[in-house]
Amino acid sequence: NAGVIQTPRHKVTGKGQEATLWCEPISGHSAVFWYRQTIVQGLEFLTYFRNQAPIDDSGMPKERFSAQMPNQSHSTLKIQSTQPQDSAVYLCASSLDWGQGAETLYFGSGTRLTVL
Amino acid sequence: AQKVTQTQTSISVVEKTTVTMDCVYETRDSSYFLFWYKQTASGEIVFLIRQDSYKKENATVGHYSLNFQKPKSSIGLIITATQIEDSAVYFCAMRRRGNYNQGKLIFGQGTKLSIKP
Repeated sequence: NAGVIQTPRHKVTGKGQEATLWCEPISGHSAVFWYRQTIVQGLEFLTYFRNQAPIDDSGMPKERFSAQMPNQSHSTLKIQSTQPQDSAVYLCASSLDWGQGAETLYFGSGTRLTVL
Repeated sequence: AQKVTQTQTSISVVEKTTVTMDCVYETRDSSYFLFWYKQTASGEIVFLIRQDSYKKENATVGHYSLNFQKPKSSIGLIITATQIEDSAVYFCAMRRRGNYNQGKLIFGQGTKLSIKP
């Protein structure tokens, strides 16, 4: 079991450019999450998919951020017109049994996004 | 609104001793889960242990145990026989129980633990 795989590990973009981050959840896990980590804000929830369907995007900034899960083996987080304040580590996580009692999240190693 | 607070920014202890990290939380929910996660220097975040609010017994996993004091809204993490590799940032987190459609874990700001030889 390779764990949650995120690519790239590091991404540098210029202000105004688009950034796409990729996540491959653990095989068989039905729930996929995106979180963002910064020194100031800490760990912030962004969005959650269950069986590929978007369920909770209450943490997503309403503009410029979007997430998709086109199939059970990968999810993407896209940030349009990136701004310096988008610089953060973006973490993907998956869970076998979210809402079923065990609630364990397995995190990927994250993508460090730097917007110049 | 739910909130998780870790007041200890950093702790340093000598190897093989016991350390306790504090966490207090705020919630109006009657049933919830409390978690501790560890983030290593490489950035990897790993689940350690969980406490269900309706259980009176403190959870224990390996050399991790919890001190759950529900009336005080407190969930402390106790690490016994600490090892150098326990050096990491430890996060407390919570979520409402039973809400299948909510994806959010509320995290505290973290406590950096340093284990000295």
